[in-house]
Amino acid sequence: QKEVEQNSGPLSVPEGAIASLNCTYSDRGSQSFFWYRQYSGKSPELIMFIYSNGDKEDGRFTAQLNKASQYVSLLIRDSQPSDSATYLCAIPNAGGTSYGKLTFGQGTILTVHP
Amino acid sequence: NAGVMQNPRHLVRRRGQEARLRCSPMKGHSHVYWYRQLPEEGLKFMVYLQKENIIDESGMPKERFSAEFPKEGPSILRIQQVVRGDSAAYFCASSPPADGNSPLHFGNGTRLTVT
Repeated sequence: QKEVEQNSGPLSVPEGAIASLNCTYSDRGSQSFFWYRQYSGKSPELIMFIYSNGDKEDGRFTAQLNKASQYVSLLIRDSQPSDSATYLCAIPNAGGTSYGKLTFGQGTILTVHP
Repeated sequence: NAGVMQNPRHLVRRRGQEARLRCSPMKGHSHVYWYRQLPEEGLKFMVYLQKENIIDESGMPKERFSAEFPKEGPSILRIQQVVRGDSAAYFCASSPPADGNSPLHFGNGTRLTVT
């Protein structure tokens, strides 16, 4: 089983809708979770991180963490065409606490159409 | 406040040549991480360095790849005798000293093409 799994998509949503991106992980010891956005041909950009069960909101983005079920999700409200990108979920490697060595999921391609 | 700087942005090498990728961390940062993103694959950790020390190279291919972070100057990822399978985007990130708990911010990457 892969350590971090994401549905590769593509996920297509209309402009203004809520986009829901999901990520599951296998290491129960994982404490911190990161969401990166990567536009085509560009570098990954950190958009959210979460380490407590529940929700964390930042503007139009909400990260949701459920450690018991081992999943973390990212909701994007009022989706815009500029949100079209690949979204990468990442956790520190092998239950470690250092944030430098991350295991990334394959990424979910999101397309927001006008 | 400059971010992580990588150069060159694009690098083309013929099979068998050497590729040198450079990474200058953010000001005040002494931890550097290299990642590789192969086409159609996820981003994968390669190596973690501090000044003059390799801390974790568990993600480095066993042959042809090496990395260094000298006391002065940028970190260098070196690939000897490149092959077509080395074509990928290579990203570098940095973090402050004695702080492994800062979320990573990546440089713009070097896109290596091996012809």
